[in-house]
Amino acid sequence: TQLLEQSPQFLSIQEGENLTVYCNSSSVFSSLQWYRQEPGEGPVLLVTVVTGGEVKKLKRLTFQFGDARKDSSLHITAAQPGDTGLYLCAGDSGTYKYIFGTGTRLKVLA
Amino acid sequence: DTAVSQTPKYLVTQMGNDKSIKCEQNLGHDTMYWYKQDSKKFLKIMFSYNNKELIINETVPNRFSPKSPDKAHLNLHINSLELGDSAVYFCASSLPMGSGANVLTFGAGSRLTVL
Repeated sequence: TQLLEQSPQFLSIQEGENLTVYCNSSSVFSSLQWYRQEPGEGPVLLVTVVTGGEVKKLKRLTFQFGDARKDSSLHITAAQPGDTGLYLCAGDSGTYKYIFGTGTRLKVLA
Repeated sequence: DTAVSQTPKYLVTQMGNDKSIKCEQNLGHDTMYWYKQDSKKFLKIMFSYNNKELIINETVPNRFSPKSPDKAHLNLHINSLELGDSAVYFCASSLPMGSGANVLTFGAGSRLTVL
């Protein structure tokens, strides 16, 4: 069974701090995605990484795909209250089956 | 315009009842999914349909029966509801595999509470 473990599970930080969320698996994925989910809504895609070692930046968010395509990280610089939400990584096994990570709940305090 | 819409958003019912959740997408996608999100926010795939054909059934009890009348709709019918069925159910859609790195577009979810 493919599993994606995220850490930390919960994170509460002050506005302006930096943070990193990790997404780890023993399985190889053809691509990996990061989603953010807000209360009462469905997850919304932030980024897709495809190539091992790939780094993508989205304003203050930096995403990295591991060289072996088994893990990924999300780094947020100078977090803001608007970054609060549930962050989910999702691995694409290439067979219409996206495996979601265990989730990281982030709260950024003003 | 809502890309993936689910109804109802909230559903409260008694154990043993039968209920349905409807999903429609206007994105022109060929592939649709049902995911279940539990109280710990873990999102697990239940079913996937590609152009009205079932391609993934992730060991879901046969009390759950998806139906896709056309590729824009994927409904979920649940028989004999149990307490453990309480969760938020998300419908999603995407382009078919082989279309490049795929993106899942989710609906807003349907919160099912079984009493």
